[in-house]
Amino acid sequence: SQTIHQWPATLVQPVGSPLSLECTVEGTSNPNLYWYRQAAGRGLQLLFYSVGIGQISSEVPQNLSASRPQDRQFILSSKKLLLSDSGFYLCAWAIGQGGETQYFGPGTRLLVL
Amino acid sequence: AQSVTQLDSHVSVSEGTPVLLRCNYSSSYSPSLFWYVQHPNKGLQLLLKYTSAATLVKGINGFEAEFKKSETSFHLTKPSAHMSDAAEYFCVVSERSSNTGKLIFGQGTTLQVKP
Repeated sequence: SQTIHQWPATLVQPVGSPLSLECTVEGTSNPNLYWYRQAAGRGLQLLFYSVGIGQISSEVPQNLSASRPQDRQFILSSKKLLLSDSGFYLCAWAIGQGGETQYFGPGTRLLVL
Repeated sequence: AQSVTQLDSHVSVSEGTPVLLRCNYSSSYSPSLFWYVQHPNKGLQLLLKYTSAATLVKGINGFEAEFKKSETSFHLTKPSAHMSDAAEYFCVVSERSSNTGKLIFGQGTTLQVKP
């Protein structure tokens, strides 16, 4: 069966510090991968998606970036965090494209102080 | 363009009474529709999915939803609420013609279950 991991589970970082969040998927090959952010009391906002190694599409201009160095690894990064980067970050995977179910990881809670 | 509107930001029911969470969607193409549930500080769990088969979709934990094209609705129901149902619920649409699989989320409905 497929599983998706995210780490760390929680993170407290000062403004201006770098960020690296990791997401890995097991039990499947060539998944589509997605990064979402959920701000407090709000819905989910798609940040990045990837349909293959090295292929990254950005949905929202910001100071975050994403990379996919391996088939089942998706990394969210920032060189300098802003207060507004605080939130709950969720990674998801799907097989296939339009209309397919996405399966979500447990999330990372990021607090920027 | 696709969009999803969850008509209630907060719903409160008593344990053992029916649950109704309302969702309307807009889609230019034949949509896939989903309901996800999120418990506090957890990831999202799929409750059920509609993909143009039966219009009445049964999901986990006794939930079901009915796709009504004429009303562009996909409301979530459960005959009898349980305390463990208290959570945030998201209605989601995806266009099956898309080659990216992107999902459009509603703003969520918080379900409170009173004893």
